Amino acid sequence: QKEVEQDPGPLSVPEGAIVSLNCTYSNSAFQYFMWYRQYSRKGPELLMYTYSSGNKEDGRFTAQVDKSSKYISLFIRDSQPSDSATYLCAMSAPSSGDKLTFGTGTRLAVRP
Amino acid sequence: GAVVSQHPSWVICKSGTSVKIECRSLDFQATTMFWYRQFPKQSLMLMATSNEGSKATYEQGVEKDKFLINHASLTLSTLTVTSAHPEDSSFYICSAPISGSRDGELFFGEGSRLTVL
Repeated sequence: QKEVEQDPGPLSVPEGAIVSLNCTYSNSAFQYFMWYRQYSRKGPELLMYTYSSGNKEDGRFTAQVDKSSKYISLFIRDSQPSDSATYLCAMSAPSSGDKLTFGTGTRLAVRP
Repeated sequence: GAVVSQHPSWVICKSGTSVKIECRSLDFQATTMFWYRQFPKQSLMLMATSNEGSKATYEQGVEKDKFLINHASLTLSTLTVTSAHPEDSSFYICSAPISGSRDGELFFGEGSRLTVL
């Protein structure tokens, strides 16, 4: 079993739709949870950062962490074609510092 | 914002040759840099942690004699793929944290696509 599981998609939605992306994990030591966005043939860029359980909102993006279920989500409201990218969840434990464990990434396509 | 630059962005080489990829932190000093490999439709896999002024730390299963890492200055780390073979064809990405940033908050380079013929 992988430490972090993420549906690779692809996920295709019409412009304006609400998108829900999810990851599950098995390591209860993970405390820091991130979502990175990666455009084709580019390096990832940090989108959302959450510490422990709870919600965080930034514009059209909302990140949720449920540590009891070992489940994290990213919601994108009013999706735009420019949101088309691969979304990677990542997480780390206090003992591992900056060493991240990534999900496989979910490819998202937002149709105009 | 912080910028990490990689060069070259893509490279094609013949089997058996060596290829060097550079990773530079442009406006900050990076005592640590991470090297990842990403195969098509797969996640980023950490290969090694590059430490300025000391030996790199390799992840299990990564051959340190094949993937040579040098971190000679606070702004430059290099990855050399020695005696490259077609199975080494992949997308190599470096990243670095900024001093004082949150755990796991990394700035990634643009990646270097290696194709070995």
